[in-house]
Amino acid sequence: AQSVTQLDSHVSVSEGTPVLLRCNYSSSYSPSLFWYVQHPNKGLQLLLKYTSAATLVKGINGFEAEFKKSETSFHLTKPSAHMSDAAEYFCVVSPPNSGGYQKVTFGTGTKLQVIP
Amino acid sequence: EPEVTQTPSHQVTQMGQEVILRCVPISNHLYFYWYRQILGQKVEFLVSFYNNEISEKSEIFDDQFSVERPDGSNFTLKIRSTKLEDSAMYFCASSAELETFTWYNSPLHFGNGTRLTVT
Repeated sequence: AQSVTQLDSHVSVSEGTPVLLRCNYSSSYSPSLFWYVQHPNKGLQLLLKYTSAATLVKGINGFEAEFKKSETSFHLTKPSAHMSDAAEYFCVVSPPNSGGYQKVTFGTGTKLQVIP
Repeated sequence: EPEVTQTPSHQVTQMGQEVILRCVPISNHLYFYWYRQILGQKVEFLVSFYNNEISEKSEIFDDQFSVERPDGSNFTLKIRSTKLEDSAMYFCASSAELETFTWYNSPLHFGNGTRLTVT
């Protein structure tokens, strides 16, 4: 069984300050992990993915995430928040080497607010 | 960049009516999915579809639901007799490019969703 926990339902940061969105996973194997972003009235856009290659993964829009097996974490970070980063972020887990088919499990989401 | 498109963006229907939600997955993808997100709740898996048949479904996907790929491009979700609790955002997704199909994880590509409101 797999699950993912997003520790904060809401995070508020000032523009230009760092962003940290926390995600912990539970899995009986070494999973694949993804972060998706959902802007208001938009679909789910892939930010980045970890699939057992480099543990530090760089994504779009300056975001990155580090896979830490010892802590079962996959936190999302960005050095400097921009107003356009305000959105909801989902941490997603999937079994490894599942080929083209994905049976993913979503976290509950973290709403990021960026204050001017 | 190719994308998954869903229509309509918002659908309002009366309880007991049938609705069809439409999706056009990315053209060279092999797997298709439906997920839903009830307001304030998690995104939940409904069903996956491969090679013209359902490959997996959740317990949510009961006899009221059906999926179909009526032609080479569309992928539809039908709810036969809608209930109030079917009100949700429904997301279509696709994965696995035909030309690059390998046993590595191919991420899901999602559409913008259809907001279904049952009154």
